[in-house]
Amino acid sequence: DVKVTQSSRYLVKRTGEKVFLECVQDMDHENMFWYRQDPGLGLRLIYFSYDVKMKEKGDIPEGYSVSREKKERFSLILESASTNQTSMYLCASSLLRRVDGYTFGSGTRLTVV
Amino acid sequence: AQSVTQPDIHITVSEGASLELRCNYSYGATPYLFWYVQSPGQGLQLLLKYFSGDTLVQGIKGFEAEFKRSQSSFNLRKPSVHWSDAAEYFCAVGVSGSQGNLIFGKGTKLSVKP
Repeated sequence: DVKVTQSSRYLVKRTGEKVFLECVQDMDHENMFWYRQDPGLGLRLIYFSYDVKMKEKGDIPEGYSVSREKKERFSLILESASTNQTSMYLCASSLLRRVDGYTFGSGTRLTVV
Repeated sequence: AQSVTQPDIHITVSEGASLELRCNYSYGATPYLFWYVQSPGQGLQLLLKYFSGDTLVQGIKGFEAEFKRSQSSFNLRKPSVHWSDAAEYFCAVGVSGSQGNLIFGKGTKLSVKP
C-alpha cells in the first residue's frame, strides 16, 4: 500500500558533500514536491514539479536543485551540504489540477556534520 | 494571497478529555480544506478534507472538523483524546483552479497527559 517512498529515513553527511535525496511515487501523480521541516517553522516548500523535466522554485530553493527525469521519481540535490541544511525533508505528490490533497513520504532526517 | 493560521503552537490535554485545534484561513472563495497528522519521525497522513456540502466532516481516528465560512475557520475536534493522538497537526488550504498546490499552517503540537 506504500505510495510515496523516500529512499532513506536517516542520513548523515559531511559538510561540502553532494547529497541526493530520492523520492518515488507509484500513483501516476503529475505533481511532486519537496519540503523541509524545522521546529517552529512548519513546512517550507523547496521545489516542485508538474511534469517530467520541469521544475519550479518554492519558497526556499537556495542551496538546492532538483531533477525529474521520470514521472515517478523526483530527486532533491544538495550541491554542497552545509550544517544549516540539517533538517527533516518530506516528499509529496498529487494529481495535477486536482485539489485532492497530497500524499507524503515518511521523510528523510538529514544531519550534516 | 491565501494563508493558513494555526494560532496554537502547542496544546496539552489529558487523556479522555475533548480536543479542539484551531485553524483559520484567508481566501476569497470557498476553499478546499485539509487536516493532516504527523506522528514523531513520520510523514504527514491525511485525517480529513472538506470540499463542499455538509460543513461537518468526519475523518479517520475519530476526528471531525467543521467548516465555518463566517469565521473563516476549519477547527479539528475529537470528543475523547487517546495517548496515541500525541502528534503534530497541520491544517492546509487548496485553491480551486490551481495546479493543485496546498498552503500549510505551521502546525500545532499536541501532547497528551496520562
